[in-house]
Amino acid sequence: GESVGLHLPTLSVQEGDNSIINCAYSNSASDYFIWYKQESGKGPQFIIDIRSNMDKRQGQRVTVLLNKTVKHLSLQIAATQPGDSAVYFCAGTISGTYKYIFGTGTRLKVLA
Amino acid sequence: SAVISQKPSRDICQRGTSLTIQCQVDSQVTMMFWYRQQPGQSLTLIATANQGSEATYESGFVIDKFPISRPNLTFSTLTVSNMSPEDSSIYLCSVAGQFLSTSTDTQYFGPGTRLTVL
Repeated sequence: GESVGLHLPTLSVQEGDNSIINCAYSNSASDYFIWYKQESGKGPQFIIDIRSNMDKRQGQRVTVLLNKTVKHLSLQIAATQPGDSAVYFCAGTISGTYKYIFGTGTRLKVLA
Repeated sequence: SAVISQKPSRDICQRGTSLTIQCQVDSQVTMMFWYRQQPGQSLTLIATANQGSEATYESGFVIDKFPISRPNLTFSTLTVSNMSPEDSSIYLCSVAGQFLSTSTDTQYFGPGTRLTVL
């Protein structure tokens, strides 16, 4: 069936370094992708999104890259800060369907 | 984005009882959804709350267990009925299709309701 998976369950990075969180998806019809950040005890918080007509999108300290050929997307966080410690989820959907397929999540730990 | 609140934020309930969770949005939205997130896991869609009509449930979820109401464009409730310890989870509402939003695909989540069933 459809799936959106993440390669690593936990990622530890030094404060100030860049973080890269990866995600693979299986449904080639998916054309809209989102990254969420979920801190302990809170709901998922929207970080950045990208549509399939783009390869790259940048936000504040974050960049999402989409490779449709290999059905892979990544979230890059520049100059990782302690406040970035959280679980990060990717989700993919087909526009207009509202049926999100969520990845399993990657826990990002920022080391001082 | 819209401000989404949920009540209660957490509860501890006895087996066999029911709990109703409320989701309130500060602006009208087209779509509202209910998700379940079991400890340490990802999100699973329970149902789409349809305004003025019966909710649309995903495979594995039924109306008798998770009745949902959506009386208007800013409010929805999810009831977890006849609870068992297996229902212990975080329950999240999300919304999409906000008025004047440039994207109707983006879902925004509430803070969640942490439910523990003893």
